[in-house]
Amino acid sequence: EAGVAQSPRYKIIEKRQSVAFWCNPISGHATLYWYQQILGQGPKLLIQFQNNGVVDDSQLPKDRFSAERLKGVDSTLKIQPAKLEDSAVYLCASSLFSGLAGNEQFFGPGTRLTVL
Amino acid sequence: AQTVTQSQPEMSVQEAETVTLSCTYDTSESDYYLFWYKQPPSRQMILVIRQEAYKQQNATENRFSVNFQKAAKSFSLKISDSQLGDAAMYFCAYRRESNYQLIWGAGTKLIIKP
Repeated sequence: EAGVAQSPRYKIIEKRQSVAFWCNPISGHATLYWYQQILGQGPKLLIQFQNNGVVDDSQLPKDRFSAERLKGVDSTLKIQPAKLEDSAVYLCASSLFSGLAGNEQFFGPGTRLTVL
Repeated sequence: AQTVTQSQPEMSVQEAETVTLSCTYDTSESDYYLFWYKQPPSRQMILVIRQEAYKQQNATENRFSVNFQKAAKSFSLKISDSQLGDAAMYFCAYRRESNYQLIWGAGTKLIIKP
């Protein structure tokens, strides 16, 4: 079974530039998560999708971050314009269905973003 | 609101020995899940072990076991016969049952000495 795919693995941009990350979840997984992980910290949930609908985006800085999950499969996360404090690893995770007992989240390798 | 605390930023252990990583949490929910995730330097987060709160028996997965103390809200991870491949960041996570989201601790860096 293929895992969660993410691209690119690394990205370096100047502040005020735009950047987009892509995630392909495990086939059949209804729930998709985007996390921001700053060095030395645990992941912070940015947005949660159930199929192609948003379940929770309360921690997404909507003035600069946007995310979509067209057709309930792939997802993109965009930052426009980027700030220095956006430097982090962006993790994508998926699960079969968020309500299943003990449902495990499977993670992708992440995208390391450096904003200069 | 639920919180998860990992009080050990870094732990080191000699290869083949046993190490215990600590985790405490705060919640008013009566049933919930707790998880330990491992994140090696390559950054891919993988599940190590899970525990459902209503089960009194501690979960075990090969060399990994937990000591779950529900009344004390403690959920420690014991790694037996430590191996070089166990070196990683270990995160404790609480699953909020209202929306199934994970609340994460800050992580413990585990160093294995050969």
